Amino acid sequence: AQTVTQSQPEMSVQEAETVTLSCTYDTSENNYYLFWYKQPPSRQMILVIRQEAYKQQNATENRFSVNFQKAAKSFSLKISDSQLGDTAMYFCAFKLHTGTASKLTFGTGTRLQVTL
Amino acid sequence: EAQVTQNPRYLITVTGKKLTVTCSQNMNHEYMSWYRQDPGLGLRQIYYSMNVEVTDKGDVPEGYKVSRKEKRNFPLILESPSPNQTSLYFCASSWGGPPYEQYFGPGTRLTVT
Repeated sequence: AQTVTQSQPEMSVQEAETVTLSCTYDTSENNYYLFWYKQPPSRQMILVIRQEAYKQQNATENRFSVNFQKAAKSFSLKISDSQLGDTAMYFCAFKLHTGTASKLTFGTGTRLQVTL
Repeated sequence: EAQVTQNPRYLITVTGKKLTVTCSQNMNHEYMSWYRQDPGLGLRQIYYSMNVEVTDKGDVPEGYKVSRKEKRNFPLILESPSPNQTSLYFCASSWGGPPYEQYFGPGTRLTVT
């Protein structure tokens, strides 16, 4: 079974600074997808970024980028120029590439606080 | 607007009183799923459905039931709620294949006393 570990329960960053959230996962499979979801105080789950394991290039979405290290099974999220609206819980998630939809395996989350 | 809706958003009930949380999506997605979110545990899957009349257990199915009579709807039923089912519940949907992005409803905060 796959597992996802987020070892930082809470983090804090000042506005305009850069912060990196860590995620590691465990799988014996080679083809999979990784996701970062954001959960602001509204509780809505919002997809931030997605990475396909077969792609070597790290995914980027505006101020959000990932550092995907497949051999190390690491998938960290970097937020540049942090904004107050980035304050949220962030979840890392894993999905095997099976050809059909199935559950996402989530980490336990990192609560990020952006301060003035 | 493409969305997943859940009702109610908040619910306080007593032990043993049957309840249903509704979920509906307007994206014609084949796959639908229920998760519960608890502090320190992340999101865990309760039940899922690959299509109409096709459902199966997730990781934490005890105490829950589901049905999928229509493609757009996937209600979660607690026939005899207990305090350990106090949690935040999310319905999600996605296409049947890659890239597997799941779209989530707004969540239902359930308290069982």
